[in-house]
Amino acid sequence: GESVGLHLPTLSVQEGDNSIINCAYSNSASDYFIWYKQESGKGPQFIIDIRSNMDKRQGQRVTVLLNKTVKHLSLQIAATQPGDSAVYFCAENPRDSSYKLIFGSGTRLLVRP
Amino acid sequence: DAGVIQSPRHEVTEMGQEVTLRCKPISGHNSLFWYRQTMMRGLELLIYFNNNVPIDDSGMPEDRFSAKMPNASFSTLKIQPSEPRDSAVYFCASSLAGTQPQHFGDGTRLSIL
Repeated sequence: GESVGLHLPTLSVQEGDNSIINCAYSNSASDYFIWYKQESGKGPQFIIDIRSNMDKRQGQRVTVLLNKTVKHLSLQIAATQPGDSAVYFCAENPRDSSYKLIFGSGTRLLVRP
Repeated sequence: DAGVIQSPRHEVTEMGQEVTLRCKPISGHNSLFWYRQTMMRGLELLIYFNNNVPIDDSGMPEDRFSAKMPNASFSTLKIQPSEPRDSAVYFCASSLAGTQPQHFGDGTRLSIL
């Protein structure tokens, strides 16, 4: 059968527009979440994180929103640039393990010039 | 600042050969992780070391895989004998004391013919 991993969801945005990448996480006991960016031929690069006692956290051009009620995480990128083109992964850290990360399947962001 | 350093970046070898992947974690990080990434299964944790001691090796596929961490600045992942289904990108990551976030190297792309 076909694997979800073979067909990454793709978000295509115009340069300069804002991007929103969504992620549904699985474990209601997870209390820490991370967004990673992976460019072609490179490893996942840490972007921003958030703990479960927060709903929103902002970085430089990026904002992470956490909705624990529906187990949903989003990454907002302001004024998207060509260099933002990559695959974005959310990851959750279960409360019962300080080291485990459960990764989502990823979303490919394409920025149109 | 030097990140996680992996070598080689690419490895192509024939089935049955021994393969050794190398990793130098970020200086001062005492937790080290080996992951495997494939299109079918995404990112999978193979093994986790803390203070050079293997803590969780439940993700190691089978006895053909072994990992060592002889000191705080070096780890190896060995596959012997290698098989075509081992073809994947292997990542090493490190962090402070098993906490988050984990910081990834740029991986070794392994092809077993």
